[in-house]
Amino acid sequence: EGQLVQSGGGLVQPGGSLRLSCAASGFTFSSYWMNWVRQAPGKGLEWVANIKRDGSEIYYLDSVRGRFTISRDNAKNSLYLQMNSLRAEDTAMYFCVSTAGYWGQGTLVTVSS
Amino acid sequence: QAVVTQEPSLTVSPGGTVTLTCGSSTGAVTSGLYPYWFQQKPGQAPRTLIYDTSNKHSWTPARFSGSLLGGKAALTLSGAQPEDEAVYYCLLSHSGDVVFGGGTKLTVL
Repeated sequence: EGQLVQSGGGLVQPGGSLRLSCAASGFTFSSYWMNWVRQAPGKGLEWVANIKRDGSEIYYLDSVRGRFTISRDNAKNSLYLQMNSLRAEDTAMYFCVSTAGYWGQGTLVTVSS
Repeated sequence: QAVVTQEPSLTVSPGGTVTLTCGSSTGAVTSGLYPYWFQQKPGQAPRTLIYDTSNKHSWTPARFSGSLLGGKAALTLSGAQPEDEAVYYCLLSHSGDVVFGGGTKLTVL
């Protein structure tokens, strides 16, 4: 069965940067679109970004476009989210999600001074 | 950005049947919006139940089914179990604009 294991995240000051990683195993990573989804404390799910199987198409939530960059390395079965110019409203649990149906365990990003 | 609407809360009796719906501000929901359904229990990551309107994963209990109903996507639970109490989210893809609904809190009581 497939699995997604996330790393990265933590506490960062407003304006700072963080990089999230997501390592896939147990399924053919390169065959599926990958997504980042976030959930602010006590709130619903919010889609953040996604990337096509070969990386040739990428889409972003309007509020993160220009600040966040999604990327993937199919040779390493890995997905990334580079987050720059972070704001308090970016505080959330971030999940990587494959269209194969698998979710990462989540990683908490807290933006606060 | 499109707005995706779900019932805020629903209640079903154990063994009963309930249908959750997912509508779009852009008009009728079709298979071309690739409706997904997710289940999230407190303190857990969500899990994917249904993809592309009606397809199930190997872990999706048979009592869950997805469909299109009256211009909306629908998730039907037949024979509700106590462990089905959770928040259910739908997701629609509008040409690269991917939007979650606000979630339906399902109580089994």
